[in-house]
Amino acid sequence: NAGVTQTPKFRVLKTGQSMTLLCAQDMNHEYMYWYRQDPGMGLRLIHYSVGEGTTAKGEVPDGYNVSRLKKQNFLLGLESAAPSQTSVYFCASSYSKYPDTGELFFGEGSRLTVL
Amino acid sequence: QKEVEQDPGPLSVPEGAIVSLNCTYSNSAFQYFMWYRQYSRKGPELLMYTYSSGNKEDGRFTAQVDKSSKYISLFIRDSQPSDSATYLCAMMYSSASKIIFGSGTRLSIRP
Repeated sequence: NAGVTQTPKFRVLKTGQSMTLLCAQDMNHEYMYWYRQDPGMGLRLIHYSVGEGTTAKGEVPDGYNVSRLKKQNFLLGLESAAPSQTSVYFCASSYSKYPDTGELFFGEGSRLTVL
Repeated sequence: QKEVEQDPGPLSVPEGAIVSLNCTYSNSAFQYFMWYRQYSRKGPELLMYTYSSGNKEDGRFTAQVDKSSKYISLFIRDSQPSDSATYLCAMMYSSASKIIFGSGTRLSIRP
């Protein structure tokens, strides 16, 4: 099993360009999440999904959109990239919403630089 | 003020030493406490989970929660170079609430 797979792993964008990050999980998890990780800030939740066809905002959703057309995939889009969106993006999944053990399964991250 | 505070380090100790990693928090409503380990260029993975106060031991790792002081710790005994990673504390108010992550402490174990 691959677990949670993110593509691409690295990307450099110019300000104003758009792009989509793809997350795929093969664990049949209902819940999927997008986080960003910045130095000194910890992991911050951008958007999450509680099932196919549903999405919800996290704590830092501005400038991002998401879609969950298939249960195994969760896409994160940047319509007009800004330098403030330079970060490492992590996708995660869980079998239930914030399960009792607090266990999320993370991908390896996508490093995005916006010039 | 951040809800969860964690010293970013880096912390460098010799192999075999006992390591103590700590987090403080401001909201006494937190009940679930976790430690995630994140190797360089990888995603975090759950290392330890504790509910409410007390200690939990798993091999060389011990997680300790002191709710009266709003302080949690992770102890690593007989530290190994393979323990070199960033350690993130995390907390939840309840089993269905969002997870609040600390910013992580970078640990290096010198052979």
